Amino acid sequence: EDQVTQSPEALRLQEGESSSLNCSYTVSGLRGLFWYRQDPGKGPEFLFTLYSAGEEKEKERLKATLTKKESFLHITAPKPEDSATYLCAVGSNTGKLIFGQGTTLQVKP
Amino acid sequence: KAGVTQTPRYLIKTRGQQVTLSCSPISGHRSVSWYQQTPGQGLQFLFEYFSETQRNKGNFPGRFSGRQFSNSRSEMNVSTLELGDSALYLCASSLNSVVGTEAFFGQGTRLTVV
Repeated sequence: EDQVTQSPEALRLQEGESSSLNCSYTVSGLRGLFWYRQDPGKGPEFLFTLYSAGEEKEKERLKATLTKKESFLHITAPKPEDSATYLCAVGSNTGKLIFGQGTTLQVKP
Repeated sequence: KAGVTQTPRYLIKTRGQQVTLSCSPISGHRSVSWYQQTPGQGLQFLFEYFSETQRNKGNFPGRFSGRQFSNSRSEMNVSTLELGDSALYLCASSLNSVVGTEAFFGQGTRLTVV
């Protein structure tokens, strides 16, 4: 069965303290791995798409990487405005988009 | 470029009633997918429509149904509402299949069943 697991569930960082969020997946044929950011009361906001192991994408303080079993979202020198829930989703050959439970990030000034 | 528009934003319904939610995708996008988000289960895939045809369906009962019109706008219907259907319902639009191309989400419809 296709499954996506994110860790940790919650992460508290001081401003400027870099860290990584993990997304582990088991899927019957990876069509794409997606990272989203969701603020309270809003819909998820698209961040990155990764398709194959070894691929990396960057945007401002965020960098996403992909291996055959997991993806990491690296946050470098975070700011308070980076506080949000980060969601990982996997598109599989079953035709479904499967989301992890998310990592809630809080960055304190 | 206009984003994904969902209406209404908030709904309160009574158990046993039915409800219809609407989603207007980004212009040019042919895929619309629907999701249920709850604190306990997270974001769960309901179904995807592509060019007016249901392409895939998640593990939800038949009370959950949808359709897509020729202009790509989509509606989702839930019949015989249960208390457990209270959730944030999100729709997303994609240029092509939602499993292979990025999806852009609307703000969601917050449904409360009392």
